[in-house]
Amino acid sequence: TQLLEQSPQFLSIQEGENLTVYCNSSSVFSSLQWYRQEPGEGPVLLVTVVTGGEVKKLKRLTFQFGDARKDSSLHITAAQPGDTGLYLCAGAGNAGNMLTFGGGTRLMVKP
Amino acid sequence: GAGVSQSPSNKVTEKGKDVELRCDPISGHTALYWYRQSLGQGLEFLIYFQGNSAPDKSGLPSDRFSAERTGGSVSTLTIQRTQQEDSAVYLCASSLMPSPYGYTFGSGTRLTVV
Repeated sequence: TQLLEQSPQFLSIQEGENLTVYCNSSSVFSSLQWYRQEPGEGPVLLVTVVTGGEVKKLKRLTFQFGDARKDSSLHITAAQPGDTGLYLCAGAGNAGNMLTFGGGTRLMVKP
Repeated sequence: GAGVSQSPSNKVTEKGKDVELRCDPISGHTALYWYRQSLGQGLEFLIYFQGNSAPDKSGLPSDRFSAERTGGSVSTLTIQRTQQEDSAVYLCASSLMPSPYGYTFGSGTRLTVV
């Protein structure tokens, strides 16, 4: 069974601060995705990383896939209240037919 | 449709009753997935459908849970003799094919067993 551990579980910061969320596993994944979920909604895909060492930037969000494709991080620069939500990482096996999700990081950005 | 549609959005049922949850995937998406999310936590895989292949049921927690997908489109998740521990948000997702590039999720059905 492939497991993904996210840390921290909860994060409360002030607007303008930077933060990093980590997603770690002992398993290798063919790809890793990050989702953001707001209350009452389903998760929305932010990014997919496929290549070990890959870095992707989405405005103030920077995503990195570890060289060994076992871990990933999400860094947010100058967080804003609109960034508040549940951030989920999810790893895909070689068949890509099922995602294994981490436990999530609940982020609150206070104005 | 434009997105994945799930119904009902909320369901309250008495312990021991059966419930059916419906998922309408994005038109043309061949892969359909059901996940369960408890208390705003991570998602637990339940079942996966791909085209006409036999579904991957490895995540179903007990034989009270079953799902079908008719005509390669709409899917129904059935929970028989509901228990309080079945209370959760049930999320459906679809993708164009078994894809490592991400799913499109519906808004979920919040099931409360009282």
